Amino acid sequence: AQTVTQSQPEMSVQEAETVTLSCTYDTSENNYYLFWYKQPPSRQMILVIRQEAYKQQNATENRFSVNFQKAAKSFSLKISDSQLGDTAMYFCAFSIQGAQKLVFGQGTRLTINP
Amino acid sequence: DAGVIQSPRHEVTEMGQEVTLRCKPISGHNSLFWYRQTMMRGLELLIYFNNNVPIDDSGMPEDRFSAKMPNASFSTLKIQPSEPRDSAVYFCASSSREISTDTQYFGPGTRLTVL
Repeated sequence: AQTVTQSQPEMSVQEAETVTLSCTYDTSENNYYLFWYKQPPSRQMILVIRQEAYKQQNATENRFSVNFQKAAKSFSLKISDSQLGDTAMYFCAFSIQGAQKLVFGQGTRLTINP
Repeated sequence: DAGVIQSPRHEVTEMGQEVTLRCKPISGHNSLFWYRQTMMRGLELLIYFNNNVPIDDSGMPEDRFSAKMPNASFSTLKIQPSEPRDSAVYFCASSSREISTDTQYFGPGTRLTVL
């Protein structure tokens, strides 16, 4: 069975700082996708970034980037120049290519302080 | 384009009543997912459909829960009879292998409270 672990229940940083959220996963599959979703207080689940396991290049989306280490089964999210609007729960998720089912981590509550 | 639409956004009901949650997926998406989020259990997949056909309902907690997808643009999740432990946020999500490479896009959720 696939599992996703987020070891940091809560994090807090000052506005404009850089923060990195950790995620590890366990699978015996070789082809899969990894995602980070953001859930602000509005509770809407918003896709932040995705990574295909077959791609060696780390995905980036503006201030958001990932450090994907396939051998270590690690998928961390880096937020640069953090903003107050980044305050949210962040969920790491995994799906096997073609299987469609998403497996979520427990989430990391991130607070950006002014 | 409109995202995934869910209704109602909030539902308060009494134990024993029937509850129906509704979802309209993103146009062109052929997979639809129902999730439940609680503090204790996090995000759980309840059931998902491909091309309107239920593929995996192993996450449906018990026979009180049922889901249907009569056409490509509409799905319902029904709880009958409802119980206080069903209180949670229920999300619908949709995806398309061709359009979004299996990336799931979520609706705003329905917060259900069963008294």
